[in-house]
Order: sequence, then structure tokens, then C-alpha cells
Amino acid sequence: DSGVTQTPKHLITATGQRVTLRCSPRSGDLSVYWYQQSLDQGLQFLIQYYNGEERAKGNILERFSAQQFPDLHSELNLSSLELGDSALYFCASSVRRDSGLTTGANVLTFGAGSRLTVL
Amino acid sequence: DAKTTQPPSMDCAEGRAANLPCNHSTISGNEYVYWYRQIHSQGPQYIIHGLKNNETNEMASLIITEDRKSSTLILPHATLRDTAVYYCIVSWGAQKLVFGQGTRLTINP
Repeated sequence: DSGVTQTPKHLITATGQRVTLRCSPRSGDLSVYWYQQSLDQGLQFLIQYYNGEERAKGNILERFSAQQFPDLHSELNLSSLELGDSALYFCASSVRRDSGLTTGANVLTFGAGSRLTVL
Repeated sequence: DAKTTQPPSMDCAEGRAANLPCNHSTISGNEYVYWYRQIHSQGPQYIIHGLKNNETNEMASLIITEDRKSSTLILPHATLRDTAVYYCIVSWGAQKLVFGQGTRLTINP
């Protein structure tokens, strides 16, 4: 158990639907990162939040949105789903509360992922 | 785009040392070298990181060349459970990690 919790583990839905993936970061971590991994593809960075604020954005589709709540958990919302959105979605957390944003090392801890299947 | 270059695949015999190379010729002075691995479809697992000096932990050793343009991850006694895709990443601060295609390491019995 990495300390990063993702729910649901598996999700099957139909095209055109909307789903929400949830991530609870490791206790004490302020930053959350979302990644997408399609079948046999690499990990693609989607978005990063730090203490509730968006910090960096990758190639995230306009149909996708995310937010980080005051309790630091994060949700990734995927709407108007297409077959190509079927993928593993990973959440990672980092940046300890007692260290803050620095230019030093920053180790990400990943969750087990949410597997989304769009039929 | 990933700033590192790794061989797409490697094989290693069980019990032997696995040496995974990585080139990062454009690394900046404040960027760290990180190694992660992904076993099948599990979440990526942190292995080790370093800035200038060689590093060792309970999982592996990291050897960084003096010019910092390349590094080698060493798994001293590979087991079947070490079969995974290994990613070498350079990054600094709280930036996102950019994953390349990694090296698919297969440990053979």
C-alpha cells in the first residue's frame, strides 16, 4: 500500500457518459498529479494541483477537468466519454507539508490506478 | 517530451546484476535523475534518485557519470519479480515527471 488511494479500481461505462475518479493523497502530501496510460502507451501527464491550486497542465482534453479540495483529495472528471478514453488513470502525490515547494528532490508516490473501460 | 534515452528492452539472468543505462545529455545543473519502475499495469514505483553522487538504497544503486550526462541503475541480484518497465526521468523541484517509453527489463530463470 503506497498510501495514495484511488477509487474506483475498475469502471465500465458507455460512450457519452461522465465519470469521476477520486484520489486521496498520502497523508501530509500537498500536491496531486494525474496521469493517463492508454493500452501499451506511456504515462501521459494530465494535470497537477498544489494545495488546492492548479499548478501545471499537460495535454488534458477539454472534456476532462479536475480539482483539489480543501482536505487535499482530488477528483478527475471525464465527460462525453469516447472509446479512446479507455485507459488506466493514475494519481500521484508529493510535496510534504513541512517542506513545501522547493527546488530539491521531489519523489512522487503513485496510487494503484483506476481502470476505465468505455464501451 | 522526455529528456532521457533508454534502450527499449533488456534481458538479464536471475541472480545476476541488471545494469540499465540512461542518457540525459541535456540535463540541467539542478535536475535530479529519478528511476521508477512499473510492474505490469500497477502504479509506477519509485526506486532511487540522485543529483551528482552515486546513491544506494535497499532496492538498487544509481551511478551518475561525472559530467551527469548519463547514469546506470543497478539491480544487484535480479529476481523474477524485477521484471518490469524501468523509467529514467530528469526533473527538478515539484515539477511533473515526464515519462518516456522506458526499458522493458525481463529477468529470465
